[in-house]
Amino acid sequence: AQTVTQSQPEMSVQEAETVTLSCTYDTSESDYYLFWYKQPPSRQMILVIRQEAYKQQNATENRFSVNFQKAAKSFSLKISDSQLGDAAMYFCAYSDYNTDKLIFGTGTRLQVFP
Amino acid sequence: DAGVTQSPTHLIKTRGQQVTLRCSPKSGHDTVSWYQQALGQGPQFIFQYYEEEERQRGNFPDRFSGHQFPNYSSELNVNALLLGDSALYLCASSPLGPDSTHGYTFGSGTRLTVV
Repeated sequence: AQTVTQSQPEMSVQEAETVTLSCTYDTSESDYYLFWYKQPPSRQMILVIRQEAYKQQNATENRFSVNFQKAAKSFSLKISDSQLGDAAMYFCAYSDYNTDKLIFGTGTRLQVFP
Repeated sequence: DAGVTQSPTHLIKTRGQQVTLRCSPKSGHDTVSWYQQALGQGPQFIFQYYEEEERQRGNFPDRFSGHQFPNYSSELNVNALLLGDSALYLCASSPLGPDSTHGYTFGSGTRLTVV
């Protein structure tokens, strides 16, 4: 069975600085998707970034980028120029290629200090 | 454009009772998935509905059941509530197809408390 592990329960960063959130996963599949979701206090899950496993190029979305290491089964999220609005729970998630069922990690709470 | 709408936002039920949670998907989306998020945990997949049928199911007991209506809206029913059913229940909608995972839109959830 596929699993997703986030080993950092909490992280903190100063405004305008850079922070990296870690995620590892386990799967026997070769084709799959990986995601980072943000959950602010409003509770709604918001997609931050998506990576297809067959693409070697790391995904980027403005200040958000990932470091995807397929062989190591690692998928970290880098947030550059952190803003107060980035404070939230961040969840790493996995999905097989042929199903859109998401498997989530336990989350990392990110605090941003002015 | 309305996103995913869930009702109610909060609910308190007594152990042993039954509960129904409702979800209206984003316009243009035809697939609805339900997730349970216990406090301090990541969401766990309950099931997914497409064309009014259960398409996939996670590791949840039969006390959890659902329904999808012709207008794509969905209900999650939980019978014989246990204290452990207390959680945030998230609904997510998507357009079915190869890119469906990319199209996931989540609602803000229903906070269920069982006392």
